[in-house]
Amino acid sequence: GAVVSQHPSRVICKSGTSVKIECRSLDFQATTMFWYRQFPKQSLMLMATSNEGSKATYEQGVEKDKFLINHASLTLSTLTVTSAHPEDSSFYICSVSRLNTGELFFGEGSRLTVL
Amino acid sequence: QQQVKQSPQSLIVQKGGISIINCAYENTAFDYFPWYQQFPGKGPALLIAIRPDVSEKKEGRFTISFNKSAKQFSLHIMDSQPGDSATYFCAASSRGSTLGRLYFGRGTQLTVWP
Repeated sequence: GAVVSQHPSRVICKSGTSVKIECRSLDFQATTMFWYRQFPKQSLMLMATSNEGSKATYEQGVEKDKFLINHASLTLSTLTVTSAHPEDSSFYICSVSRLNTGELFFGEGSRLTVL
Repeated sequence: QQQVKQSPQSLIVQKGGISIINCAYENTAFDYFPWYQQFPGKGPALLIAIRPDVSEKKEGRFTISFNKSAKQFSLHIMDSQPGDSATYFCAASSRGSTLGRLYFGRGTQLTVWP
């Protein structure tokens, strides 16, 4: 079964609104979760590392005020795209790491379309 | 700088043929090399992974070959099927870095013709 649950799978919003995407680790507690962004026919781009109980670590070039990450529990991390614009339209994917093996499991992704 | 280089960008194989995708890396600290399979509109799914203490790992029709001295690893899909048509990503990580911080190749779009 699924190890990671991501919701919603698709979301369409108007420009200027904020959108929240949830990522849940179903099989194990995850102190660290990762958020990726993927453009069509391209590889995954790491946006940020979400750490339970502390601030997320953002990759260079990723606006932390635009992409708010909250990791309030060992099984839930959320990504909020604030004041979304059409250029934020993309496929967002979260992942969780199994500590003892280092395996990384991905959610099903969330397709964001900003009109 | 691309930490993991993947080729080819696209691959077309006939049903029953062998699909081969290659990856190369520079960072000798990498010690975990997974392959992911991604279908359109879905998240990547872990397919198979290898650590550098072995030179080959096989799971069903999927085999990873690993050459530590050349810093290369490859995915072989035997008896390729139309259902294997997907994008494949190689990746690498180091236990010494942030756990789970994977560096991905650019991906290979595989098409298997029936």
